[in-house]
Amino acid sequence: QLQLQESGPGLVKPSETLSLTCTVSGGSISSSSYYWGWIRQPPGKGLEWIGSIYYSGSTYYNPSLKSRVTISVDTSKNQFSLKLSSVTAADTAVYYCVAQAVAGSLDYWGQGTLVTVSS
Amino acid sequence: SYVLTQPPSVSVAPGQTARITCGGNNIGSKSVHWYQQKPGQAPVLVVYDDSDRPSGIPERFSGSNSGNTATLTISRVEAGDEADYYCQVWDSSSDHLFGGGTKLTVL
Repeated sequence: QLQLQESGPGLVKPSETLSLTCTVSGGSISSSSYYWGWIRQPPGKGLEWIGSIYYSGSTYYNPSLKSRVTISVDTSKNQFSLKLSSVTAADTAVYYCVAQAVAGSLDYWGQGTLVTVSS
Repeated sequence: SYVLTQPPSVSVAPGQTARITCGGNNIGSKSVHWYQQKPGQAPVLVVYDDSDRPSGIPERFSGSNSGNTATLTISRVEAGDEADYYCQVWDSSSDHLFGGGTKLTVL
């Protein structure tokens, strides 16, 4: 049973870069069975996919965020990370890391972490 | 761009059947996944690949997908089923897309 845990600052200033890390336990991030991704949810709103990465390093990003997003994987630490640059108040959201099955279902979710963009 | 449309809300009495729809152009050709999200919690996968259930999900949860509509059906609804429900698809052309979510109210 995979477990995912997000970590990172809960407050980021406008125009700066949001950085989050997801630590995976109960399995290897090098598994070919999963992609690793990020989903966000603004307060009171729906879910938005940010991007995904395969252990090989192949990445897939939401076209609307692609110019600001970088997702990377650190197999030695069994972690993957999200960087979102030039943030604004519109990026305030709960950020979830997820394990995505090859067929596309988001099988495992972290508990989520609220990131607020404010000066 | 591809759009998934869900009704904002569905209400049902305990013990009855709730049906939550997810509309999309030729959605029957895609695999649809459904998530349940209770307040303050992360979403939980309740149906994947149109109609399969992850281990631990009650048989009361089922799914179907044909034509332009996918449906999540919850039989014998309980108070604990009250939550937001989201449909989701993923493929090479649409990446990950979510429906807008449906709030299920148990009367």
